[in-house]
Amino acid sequence: EDQVTQSPEALRLQEGESSSLNCSYTVSGLRGLFWYRQDPGKGPEFLFTLYSAGEEKEKERLKATLTKKESFLHITAPKPEDSATYLCAVQASKSNYQLIWGAGTKLIIKP
Amino acid sequence: NAGVTQTPKFRVLKTGQSMTLLCAQDMNHEYMYWYRQDPGMGLRLIHYSVGEGTTAKGEVPDGYNVSRLKKQNFLLGLESAAPSQTSVYFCASRTSRLAEYNEQFFGPGTRLTVL
Repeated sequence: EDQVTQSPEALRLQEGESSSLNCSYTVSGLRGLFWYRQDPGKGPEFLFTLYSAGEEKEKERLKATLTKKESFLHITAPKPEDSATYLCAVQASKSNYQLIWGAGTKLIIKP
Repeated sequence: NAGVTQTPKFRVLKTGQSMTLLCAQDMNHEYMYWYRQDPGMGLRLIHYSVGEGTTAKGEVPDGYNVSRLKKQNFLLGLESAAPSQTSVYFCASRTSRLAEYNEQFFGPGTRLTVL
């Protein structure tokens, strides 16, 4: 069964304290892995797409990496405005339309 | 461009009442989706559409119906609301063209409470 698991469920960091969020997946053929950010009371906002193992994408303090079993979202020297829930989703090769979503990691950055 | 908009933002229903949620997008996207989001769970796909006049069931379609009469609009209906349908509902859209990112664009959500 295709599945996406994110860990930890919640992460509290001090401002400037770097860390990583994990997204492990089981899917029969990966077409793409997506990272989204969701602020309270809002819809998810797209961050990155990764397509193949070894690929990396960066945006400001965020860097996403991909292996054959998992993806990491590395956060370097985070600021309070990075606080949000980060969602991971995968698209299987057998599906043209649907994504399989993880439950998300709630990140809190304390000043 | 407004992107993806949803109406209403909040709604409270009594068990057995019906309602329709409206999603509109101005990006000329072919694909549209309805999700529900519950605490501790990932987004779950209710129904989706790959073009005007076509719809398909997702992961949790029971108790919901949809229609896509116009390309820019995707309606989600609850015929007889149940407390288990209390949730936050998100609409999303995506282009069918091969693009570098293929991301889905989301609306702001509708928070529905069924008493």
